[in-house]
Amino acid sequence: GNSVTQMEGPVTLSEEAFLTINCTYTATGYPSLFWYVQYPGEGLQLLLKATKADDKGSNKGFEATYRKETTSFHLEKGSVQVSDSAVYFCALTLSGNTPLVFGKGTRLSVIA
Amino acid sequence: DSGVTQTPKHLITATGQRVTLRCSPRSGDLSVYWYQQSLDQGLQFLIQYYNGEERAKGNILERFSAQQFPDLHSELNLSSLELGDSALYFCASSASVPDTQYFGPGTRLTVL
Repeated sequence: GNSVTQMEGPVTLSEEAFLTINCTYTATGYPSLFWYVQYPGEGLQLLLKATKADDKGSNKGFEATYRKETTSFHLEKGSVQVSDSAVYFCALTLSGNTPLVFGKGTRLSVIA
Repeated sequence: DSGVTQTPKHLITATGQRVTLRCSPRSGDLSVYWYQQSLDQGLQFLIQYYNGEERAKGNILERFSAQQFPDLHSELNLSSLELGDSALYFCASSASVPDTQYFGPGTRLTVL
């Protein structure tokens, strides 16, 4: 079946540190890949996406590259801020208008 | 603000009761998805509607049902509630062609 595996949290970093959250997937076909972020007490917000191999999604200093050869979509940010503290979810969908399959989420805490 | 609205924001009820959660998709979006977020199960897809018709079913219990109305809003009905149904319930919507889903703020259900 289709699945997403992301690194277990929680991840605690100091402000301005480099962030990587690993995400790998298993899919039948060619999925679109997403990172969603959930801030405390809020819903899910789309952070970035990539729809085909070698695409790079980016937003708010976050980046992720769709790597078909390693079936990965790792999230990176060069310098995290306290305001980035949230839970990050990696997800895939197989085609337009199909349900998302989520990873378990990674909680990030950034301390000043 | 994603443009997806959900009501109510919080719901507290007793075991055995029935509740209805409401979702209004973004203007023009034909697809509505329901997801459940719980601590032990993570984010799970429940059911999808497209332009009034059921499109896909996930891990939805028989005690749960949903529908999408002609104005495209959707309702999720949960009956014979159990303690384990306590969770955050999210609605998401997407347009007919792009596969990006936009999430509402969620309804937090507490079953006592």
